[in-house]
Amino acid sequence: GAVVSQHPSWVICKSGTSVKIECRSLDFQATTMFWYRQFPKQSLMLMATSNEGSKATYEQGVEKDKFLINHASLTLSTLTVTSAHPEDSSFYICSASGGATDTQYFGPGTRLTVL
Amino acid sequence: KNEVEQSPQNLTAQEGEFITINCSYSVGISALHWLQQHPGGGIVSLFMLSSGKKKHGRLIATINIQEKHSSLHITASHPRDSAVYICSSRIGNQFYFGTGTSLTVIP
Repeated sequence: GAVVSQHPSWVICKSGTSVKIECRSLDFQATTMFWYRQFPKQSLMLMATSNEGSKATYEQGVEKDKFLINHASLTLSTLTVTSAHPEDSSFYICSASGGATDTQYFGPGTRLTVL
Repeated sequence: KNEVEQSPQNLTAQEGEFITINCSYSVGISALHWLQQHPGGGIVSLFMLSSGKKKHGRLIATINIQEKHSSLHITASHPRDSAVYICSSRIGNQFYFGTGTSLTVIP
């Protein structure tokens, strides 16, 4: 199946700094990418949907100025957590879809810890 | 808004048992996904279905559109099936997720 990578796989940062997470589709063109966060023992929460070349659509309650999403190419989307706070510590997962099947392919996730 | 409910929340089975996980949703959908999340966090999309039944190896997914219900079955369960199984409904580009079913298969 199609492969989606995320980088970094884990990151620790100080409160107030910004962190960028990359999501890449390695062997297909991802017209749509999705960003999720997941707290321990909880299910996935969709944060935003991004289509290549256009602004991301954020879910209700997700601050677009805090979680900056860029989907500049068909193989790369980035999520930047700006001015990170300890409560932003979470597992961030991206998925990508494209092509006829419309299946989502998930990245391995990025564990963010804000000190 | 679409509510997605899964049952059971936790399930422990003996190796070889037949397992069923259920998912109910509240409004009409364009597709329903079954996802598998392993302890390390990685997620695999198992099935996407909008009607009928799909089978892949020991996994079978069914959906009843009229009853707004889907089931995921695992035949001849194995310890490597231990994971969290998540049901997700899709309406256009809106996704709604169940809270997941944590499955543990004991050798």
